[in-house]
Amino acid sequence: NAGVTQTPKFQVLKTGQSMTLQCAQDMNHNSMYWYRQDPGMGLRLIYYSASEGTTDKGEVPNGYNVSRLNKREFSLRLESAAPSQTSVYFCASKTFTGTGELFFGEGSRLTVL
Amino acid sequence: DAKTTQPNSMESNEEEPVHLPCNHSTISGTDYIHWYRQLPSQGPEYVIHGLTSNVNNRMASLAIAEDRKSSTLILHRATLRDAAVYYCILTNAGKSTFGDGTTLTVKP
Repeated sequence: NAGVTQTPKFQVLKTGQSMTLQCAQDMNHNSMYWYRQDPGMGLRLIYYSASEGTTDKGEVPNGYNVSRLNKREFSLRLESAAPSQTSVYFCASKTFTGTGELFFGEGSRLTVL
Repeated sequence: DAKTTQPNSMESNEEEPVHLPCNHSTISGTDYIHWYRQLPSQGPEYVIHGLTSNVNNRMASLAIAEDRKSSTLILHRATLRDAAVYYCILTNAGKSTFGDGTTLTVKP
């Protein structure tokens, strides 16, 4: 079982460059999430998609855009990367219920110079 | 959004029980209480969840206060592998927001 797959695992960008983080899940989950985690801190929600066709802002959406391409895939785009976006990014998915547990990907480590 | 409050850090001795508290005084009737833990350099992993009643699984127990404004994750016999950051979150059909969690240190 692949679960939640994120690509790339590592990326170095220069300030102002753009990039897209890809996330795919094979568990037929309705809801998908993007979090960022800065060193020594907890996870902060960037955007989420409660179900296919919907996306909503989380706690820290500025500087990011998302696309729920289909039920399986949820991408996160940085249009103009800034050093403050250096972080580890986690994608997660779950069923559309309160009982559903979150399944996380392995994370994508992004460095912006 | 309902928030949770946890102590920043806790210590335990190996093979002793650990009680990790969480306050969630603004919990709504539809919020489930979930616990996750994050080992170093890994993504969070699910531990346990509950709504109103206490819950047990192979990893831990969850004790939920009668008014649901607080809960406690119980590790019955801590091992060195239980050293991690533990997150208590409230979740429903939509948003799932994490706090900073409790860093558990287990001493041999």
